[in-house]
Amino acid sequence: EVKLLESGGGLVQPGGSMRLSCAASGFTFTDFYMNWIRQPAGKAPEWLGFIRNKANGYTTEYNPSVKGRFTISRDNTQNMLYLQMNTLRAEDTATYYCARRDTTGPFDYWGQGVMVTVSS
Amino acid sequence: DIVMTQTPSSQAVSAGEKVTMSCKSSQSLLYNENKKNYLAWYQQKPGQSPKLLIYWASTRESGVPDRFIGSGSGTDFTLTISSVQAEDLAVYYCQQYYNFPTFGGGTKLELK
Repeated sequence: EVKLLESGGGLVQPGGSMRLSCAASGFTFTDFYMNWIRQPAGKAPEWLGFIRNKANGYTTEYNPSVKGRFTISRDNTQNMLYLQMNTLRAEDTATYYCARRDTTGPFDYWGQGVMVTVSS
Repeated sequence: DIVMTQTPSSQAVSAGEKVTMSCKSSQSLLYNENKKNYLAWYQQKPGQSPKLLIYWASTRESGVPDRFIGSGSGTDFTLTISSVQAEDLAVYYCQQYYNFPTFGGGTKLELK
């Protein structure tokens, strides 16, 4: 059974940093693009970025809205995905999801999400 | 960015009704080399993560009831629920994966 489990959320002050983790299980982790997606309360999801699979060199792409502030990485020995978020702003407040994606397909599995609140 | 526009933003329905909702993209999602439309539909219930219903515009994900029907091509897409059940009350999002993914604003199905 495919499982994605995020952790590491909480309250952070504006300008601060936070690292989110996503533990993956039930599939061959290195075969898939892994994504981070966020969703402010009551709004649509927003794709933040992905890290490609082994066949595509584990390279990354980002939404311009977070490029330069957010960094996606993966530990393929531990089946872990990470999102490092720096210089956080109030508008980064949202539920953050990790999601799996085949090379060119949709997001077929999502984690349960983790809340991040940026506030003083 | 490809902009996805969903209408209506909300819809009140009764159990057993046929429901249709629209999703329009700012550019074609049809990739000519494989004739596939890079469009997915998701269902999100309160407190849950989005669940994939339909991909390639019309292919149902495994386990999704056949009352959910995706159609359309190019820039105009429709999700039809042939006979709405109580458990279908949720927000539905379309999403393009033709290039960097973007989502529509959602259509919320509510009880009439």
